Amino acid sequence: GQNIDQPTEMTATEGAIVQINCTYQTSGFNGLFWYQQHAGEAPTFLSYNVLDGLEEKGRFSSFLSRSKGYSYLLLKELQMKDSASYLCAVKDSNYQLIWGAGTKLIIKP
Amino acid sequence: TAGITQAPTSQILAAGRSMTLRCTQDMRHNAMYWYRQDLGLGLRLIHYSNTAGTTGKGEVPDGYSVSRANTDDFPLTLASAVPSQTSVYFCASSGGVTGELFFGEGSRLTVL
Repeated sequence: GQNIDQPTEMTATEGAIVQINCTYQTSGFNGLFWYQQHAGEAPTFLSYNVLDGLEEKGRFSSFLSRSKGYSYLLLKELQMKDSASYLCAVKDSNYQLIWGAGTKLIIKP
Repeated sequence: TAGITQAPTSQILAAGRSMTLRCTQDMRHNAMYWYRQDLGLGLRLIHYSNTAGTTGKGEVPDGYSVSRANTDDFPLTLASAVPSQTSVYFCASSGGVTGELFFGEGSRLTVL
C-alpha cells in the first residue's frame, strides 16, 4: 500500500530552526508537496520538489531524496505565526496526491 | 481574488437528511477535488473532476456524489447523511506551474 509518514507533533522555540521529516512509500513518484495549515483554516501551498536536492524559499526550505523516499521541511528563524500543521503529500504514478496525516508544530516563546 | 468559495461554512444535519456542499472557483482551473479531513488522518479524496463533464471516485466515495456541469462549479451531495460523515470538507482546484492545490476555506459538517 501507499504510505506517508511524518511525526505527529513537534515543539520548537521562537527564533530557532526546526526540521520536519517525511518518508514515503508510493507507487511511482511525480513530485512532493508541503502545505501549511493553521488551526481551523485551509491548507496553503509551501513548496514543491520533483528533483533531488534543496529548494529554498525565504525562511522555508524543502529537501528531497527520491532514492531514500525522504523529504524534510526546514523552517528557520521561527516565529510564533509558524505554529501550524505541516502536511506532506506525494503525487503517485497516477498523478493522485497521497497525504500524510500532518505534523503539528508548536512554537514556544 | 476570491479563488475558491465554499458554502455553507458550517452545518448541523440530522441523520438521513440530504445535503449539498457548494464549491465555486474563479481561477478557470480544469481539475477540482473534494476532500474530507478528520482528526489524526490525512486528507482523504472523496471525488475529483479532471475537466468539466467528467468525474471520478477517490479513496472514500461511498455516500457521496458530485457533478461538474461547468468549469467553475463542483457541488458535493450527501444523499442520506450518516454520523460517520461528520467531518471538515475541503474543495480544491489545481493549477499553477507545479499543479499545486488551492483550497476553499472548508465546510464543517456535523451529522447527528
